[in-house]
Amino acid sequence: EVKLQQSGDELVRPGASVKMSCRASGYTFTDYAMHWVKQSPGQGLEWIGTIIPLIDTTSYNQKFKGKATLTADKSSNTAYMELSRLTSEDSAVYYCARDTSYYGYNWFAYWGQGTLVTVSS
Amino acid sequence: DIQMTQSPASLSASLGETVTIECRASEDIYNGLAWYQQKPGKSPQLLIYNANSLHTGVPSRFSGSGSGTQYSLKINSLQSEDVASYFCQQYYNYPPWTFGGGTKLELK
Repeated sequence: EVKLQQSGDELVRPGASVKMSCRASGYTFTDYAMHWVKQSPGQGLEWIGTIIPLIDTTSYNQKFKGKATLTADKSSNTAYMELSRLTSEDSAVYYCARDTSYYGYNWFAYWGQGTLVTVSS
Repeated sequence: DIQMTQSPASLSASLGETVTIECRASEDIYNGLAWYQQKPGKSPQLLIYNANSLHTGVPSRFSGSGSGTQYSLKINSLQSEDVASYFCQQYYNYPPWTFGGGTKLELK
């Protein structure tokens, strides 16, 4: 069974950074691209970026360049996303979602449970 | 970027009713469309891909259709467990992958 286990909710100060994780199990981690998606309170879904774990290649939504940094640790089957210089606009639930292809050009077949980030002083 | 426009934004229907949600792309996406269901407090779950292919384990009362720029999700014989928000997503032209604004389905 494919599972994506995300790290716990975070409360962070404005201006700080946060790094969240997405641990994959039930499949070969390096065989599929991993996406990250933002959902602001009561809002829709925004694609942030994609990482191809085998070759550490990343692609970002222009809106999130400089805000999000995606990495992957093949030894622990874990994808990471770091968000920097946080503001209230970054308060949201963040999901990791696995593609059905290596390069990440398909639909998002499996989703993590989400990590809630709250930015507040 | 391809813009995805969903309608309606919210919908109220009775048990057993048939419901249709529409999604329009700003340009032809050649059936590169998926539908997701998101129940309150949960993560999105894949329902349909390639516009009309049912994901494993999804009940057959869900179906997708369409082509070009116009797509729809139909739910036959609405069940209480179908109360959720529904999102369309295009993956034909990326980056970025783009989503519709969502449709919130409630029971009447």
